[in-house]
Amino acid sequence: NAGVTQTPKFQVLKTGQSMTLQCAQDMNHNSMYWYRQDPGMGLRLIYYSASEGTTDKGEVPNGYNVSRLNKREFSLRLESAAPSQTSVYFCASSGRDRIAGANVLTFGAGSRLTVL
Amino acid sequence: GESVGLHLPTLSVQEGDNSIINCAYSNSASDYFIWYKQESGKGPQFIIDIRSNMDKRQGQRVTVLLNKTVKHLSLQIAATQPGDSAVYFCAENSGGSNYKLTFGKGTLLTVNP
Repeated sequence: NAGVTQTPKFQVLKTGQSMTLQCAQDMNHNSMYWYRQDPGMGLRLIYYSASEGTTDKGEVPNGYNVSRLNKREFSLRLESAAPSQTSVYFCASSGRDRIAGANVLTFGAGSRLTVL
Repeated sequence: GESVGLHLPTLSVQEGDNSIINCAYSNSASDYFIWYKQESGKGPQFIIDIRSNMDKRQGQRVTVLLNKTVKHLSLQIAATQPGDSAVYFCAENSGGSNYKLTFGKGTLLTVNP
């Protein structure tokens, strides 16, 4: 199993450019999430999708849009990138863990975005 | 230990020693807590979790302790190894129908050989 796959791993944008971060999971999880991680800070939730066909704002949604394309895929779009959006972005999905026996977030490897 | 609002704390230990990483949480309604490990350049990885109806849970070389009276959570790593070097995050779920976690800012653990 690949788990959670994010693309691209690295991206440099100029202010005002747009881009989409792609995320796919192969664990048949219902819920998917986008987080951002800034130096010295914990992960902050941008948007999440509790199930296919639904999306909701998290803690820091401004400047972002999301699409839950199907059960596997959840994309994050920056319509007009700003330097404040320079960050590492993590996609995650959640489902019942076979070992932990609880809903556990499984994260992708991250996408490092720099906005100049 | 770590807490939301503080700079990233660090902990340096010798290989073979036991490590204790602390976390304070603020929401008394939180009913579920998780510890994640994040190695450099990777996404966070689940280590162990605990529900609010428990005060201790053990895994392989790791133990999580929960003190609801003082809203404190700790992760104990036995016989720490160089491969344990990483940033450790605690996270809390305040409940509700949607599974959303609030993460602490993390503690950097460095294991010296």
